[in-house]
Amino acid sequence: GAGVSQSPRYKVAKRGQDVALRCDPISGHVSLFWYQQALGQGPEFLTYFQNEAQLDKSGLPSDRFFAERPEGSVSTLKIQRTQQEDSAVYLCASSLGVGREIRTDTQYFGPGTRLTVL
Amino acid sequence: AQSVTQPDIHITVSEGASLELRCNYSYGATPYLFWYVQSPGQGLQLLLKYFSGDTLVQGIKGFEAEFKRSQSSFNLRKPSVHWSDAAEYFCAVGDGGGFKTIFGAGTRLFVKA
Repeated sequence: GAGVSQSPRYKVAKRGQDVALRCDPISGHVSLFWYQQALGQGPEFLTYFQNEAQLDKSGLPSDRFFAERPEGSVSTLKIQRTQQEDSAVYLCASSLGVGREIRTDTQYFGPGTRLTVL
Repeated sequence: AQSVTQPDIHITVSEGASLELRCNYSYGATPYLFWYVQSPGQGLQLLLKYFSGDTLVQGIKGFEAEFKRSQSSFNLRKPSVHWSDAAEYFCAVGDGGGFKTIFGAGTRLFVKA
C-alpha cells in the first residue's frame, strides 16, 4: 500500500512569504506528527495530532507556525512570513496507535519537504 | 529533560566488517528507545525499538541493539556490514509522558569496499 506522502518535495521561498506544506498519512492512521530537520541534525518534534485534534504543539518554534488536520487525514503545516532560519526539511510521520500505544508504536515517515528560504 | 547523544558524527567501516553505533540517553524512568535509518532522498525507517523485556532487541536488515540501563546506552550492532547499509542512523527516545520522540544528531555510516 501507499506510504506517507508529502508535497511539495522542494520549496523555495523568499523571506517574508507564506508557505504551506502538505502531508498525506497512511490511510487509517490516527496519529500524525510533524518534525523539523535542520541540516546535519536529527529531526525535532513540532506537533502531534490524534485524528483532527492537535494534542501537542509544544515544539512549534513560533506563532508563525501553524498546523491543521481538519478532517483527521491530510495535514497542512503553514509557515507565515518565512525567515532564513526556517530553512530545513519538514518531515511528516503517521502511526496507527492511540493513547498509551503512541509511545511504542511504529511511526512511518514521509520523504520530507525541503524548504529553502532566500 | 530527555536527551540523546550519539558521540560519533561519522564512522567508516569496511564491507563485511562488524559495526557498532553508540547511543547514550538521559531519561529518568525506563525509556522507550528507537533506532532509525535515513538513506539519501528517503524517509526515516524504523530499524528496531525497545520498551520492555529482553534487553537485546532484534531488528530488520540484520541489526540488533542492546539496552544497558547501568550505562544509559542503547548501541546498535551488525555483525557484517553491506555496502547498502551506508546511510545516516538516528537513535531516539520516546517521551514517556507525552507524544514527543527526541532524536540524536545522527551518525553517518560510510562503507568502503
